[in-house]
Amino acid sequence: KAGVTQTPRYLIKTRGQQVTLSCSPISGHRSVSWYQQTPGQGLQFLFEYFSETQRNKGNFPGRFSGRQFSNSRSEMNVSTLELGDSALYLCASSFGGGEPQHFGDGTRLSIL
Amino acid sequence: GEDVEQSLFLSVREGDSSVINCTYTDSSSTYLYWYKQEPGAGLQLLTYIFSNMDMKQDQRLTVLLNKKDKHLSLRIADTQTGDSAIYFCAESISGGSGTYKYIFGTGTRLKVLA
Repeated sequence: KAGVTQTPRYLIKTRGQQVTLSCSPISGHRSVSWYQQTPGQGLQFLFEYFSETQRNKGNFPGRFSGRQFSNSRSEMNVSTLELGDSALYLCASSFGGGEPQHFGDGTRLSIL
Repeated sequence: GEDVEQSLFLSVREGDSSVINCTYTDSSSTYLYWYKQEPGAGLQLLTYIFSNMDMKQDQRLTVLLNKKDKHLSLRIADTQTGDSAIYFCAESISGGSGTYKYIFGTGTRLKVLA
């Protein structure tokens, strides 16, 4: 059974640009969550999608947005990139209902 | 508010047992989890326990849950150098209307000495 797949694995962008990250969940999982991981702040929750609807949102500015498609694949977009957006972005999928989340290997985003 | 706390570092000798501890504040958790993160990788689900259980054993891993003290521990028997990683404790909490929040600790860096 394939795990959670995130693409791309690495990205280098400059300030002011925008970026789109992709996540393919485990087959059958309808919940997809996104997290930002940095050495200083740890793992911070961005948002969760379930059946194409955003159900939960963390405390991030509106530059961070996401969506989920009918096949449960999800994308995350960050506009007007700032240096502080450099981080590992992790996607996790689950059946929902508090069930265990399974993580992808992340996208490492570096802002120059 | 909800909070999950872990110690930052743990160092053990190869072959010894490791015990990683976690305390949480919200008693309404549904599941409690242990994840492992190796360099350059995402979080790997190691094991989890339903909140109405006290203990779960899975090969070298033993999870103990003390609901009264809101304390969760992960014991790794016969620790190997390949167990060196960061270990995260997490809980899922019902937010109502079928939604759940996942609260993660800051991670414990386990170093296994040969």
